[in-house]
Amino acid sequence: SQQGEEDPQALSIQEGENATMNCSYKTSINNLQWYRQNSGRGLVHLILIRSNEREKHSGRLRVTLDTSKKSSSLLITASRAADTASYFCATARGGTASKLTFGTGTRLQVTL
Amino acid sequence: DAGVTQSPTHLIKTRGQQVTLRCSPKSGHDTVSWYQQALGQGPQFIFQYYEEEERQRGNFPDRFSGHQFPNYSSELNVNALLLGDSALYLCASSRASVYEQYFGPGTRLTVT
Repeated sequence: SQQGEEDPQALSIQEGENATMNCSYKTSINNLQWYRQNSGRGLVHLILIRSNEREKHSGRLRVTLDTSKKSSSLLITASRAADTASYFCATARGGTASKLTFGTGTRLQVTL
Repeated sequence: DAGVTQSPTHLIKTRGQQVTLRCSPKSGHDTVSWYQQALGQGPQFIFQYYEEEERQRGNFPDRFSGHQFPNYSSELNVNALLLGDSALYLCASSRASVYEQYFGPGTRLTVT
C-alpha cells in the first residue's frame, strides 16, 4: 500500500518558474527521500532528509520536512524543460537500506 | 562505473505462465530490492535480499519469489501470472550501511 500522497497530482509551469510539490505520509519515519522518474523508466535519487532535519538543499532543490505534520515539500527553483518528469517521495521507517514506501507522485511539466 | 542493470527491457507473457527477471547491482553494492510499479502509481516494495537471504518482504503473495547470487545479482520470479501482474518491475541496489538506493531502468512486463 502507498504510504501517502503527493500534491498536486500534476503541475504545469513555464521554464524559469519555481515548482513546489508536497508529500504527506502516515507513520513515523527514519528518513524521507525524493526521486525523479522520466517517462516511466528508472528512478533517480535526488535528495534524502533525515527525521531530525528540517531543511536540506542540493543545487536547485530545497526539501523541507515537518515530522509533526507528517509532511515534506520539494522546491525546484528556476525550472528547466529537462525537469519534466514524475517526482516521488519515499519514506523509510528502519535503518540503512530499509525498504522504501512511495507516494503516488507528482507529474511536472515544464514548458518553454 | 556501470549502474544498476536489468534484463530484459520488455517482456510479454500469457496468463498462467512463469517469468524470471534479472538484476545486476551497482558495483560495490550488496543489497538488492525489488519493486512493482503499476501504471500511474508509485512503486511498491516486493522484497529485499542481502547475503543471499530474503531480509524484508512486502505484501505480495508467494507467487513472487527471488534469489540473490554470490556476486550479489538477483532474480525475481513470478509464477502463475495474472493480468494484474502487468507492471514495471524495478530493481534497486544499495550498500547495507547506507540509506540511498539506486534504481535500474526497469523491466516492463505485460501479461495478456
